[in-house]
Amino acid sequence: DQQVKQNSPSLSVQEGRISILNCDYTNSMFDYFLWYKKYPAEGPTFLISISSIKDKNEDGRFTVFLNKSAKHLSLHIVPSQPGDSAVYFCAAGGSGTYKYIFGTGTRLKVLA
Amino acid sequence: EAQVTQNPRYLITVTGKKLTVTCSQNMNHEYMSWYRQDPGLGLRQIYYSMNVEVTDKGDVPEGYKVSRKEKRNFPLILESPSPNQTSLYFCASALSAGNQPQHFGDGTRLSIL
Repeated sequence: DQQVKQNSPSLSVQEGRISILNCDYTNSMFDYFLWYKKYPAEGPTFLISISSIKDKNEDGRFTVFLNKSAKHLSLHIVPSQPGDSAVYFCAAGGSGTYKYIFGTGTRLKVLA
Repeated sequence: EAQVTQNPRYLITVTGKKLTVTCSQNMNHEYMSWYRQDPGLGLRQIYYSMNVEVTDKGDVPEGYKVSRKEKRNFPLILESPSPNQTSLYFCASALSAGNQPQHFGDGTRLSIL
C-alpha cells in the first residue's frame, strides 16, 4: 500500500515556464511534508518543506502548496531552468512517528 | 564541510557473506536513517535512530541490522545477504527526530550475486 504517491513518472517543461510536480498521500496522520531533488550518482538534496498548519511555503523559485482536505501537495518551480532537471521525491512524516514515507519520484526534464 | 559519508560506494559480493556499510556524519545530528532505492518503488526506510542506542524499524527492516553506539556513526549490517537486497542504499541524518529535513549521503550500490 503506497501511502505517498507521485503518479507522474516524468515531466518535460520548456525553460522559463512553470513546472508543477504533484504528490498525493493517504494517511491523515502525516503533518510534515518535504520535497527532495536528486541528481544521478548523488544523494537526494532537501529542497523545501511544509507543515500541516500552513497551506503554502515559498523559497525563491520554489513553492509548495498543501491541500489537506484533498491530501495533495504540489511543488511549483517558476521559472524552470535546465539545471532543475532531476528526479524529485516528495516525502511525508507524522508527529509521534519518526518514520518517513517517500513517493516513487518524478523525473523532470527542463528543455532549453 | 557538513556531510554524510558512506562506505563503500560500490560493492559486489555473494549470497551469505556478511557485509557492513558504514555511515558517518559530522554535523552532530541526533537522527540517522537508512533507505534503499529500487526502480519503481522510490526510497523506502529500512531503520532509523533517534539518538545513541535508540533505533527502530522502518518499512523494510527484514534482513538488516543496525547499531548506534556513537552519535556520528550508524552502520548497516547485512548478516546473510541475498540477491533481493541488491539495491542502492542511502544513509541520512537530521538535526533531530522531529520535523527536520534530512541530509543524505551519496549512496552505496550493492550487488549480491
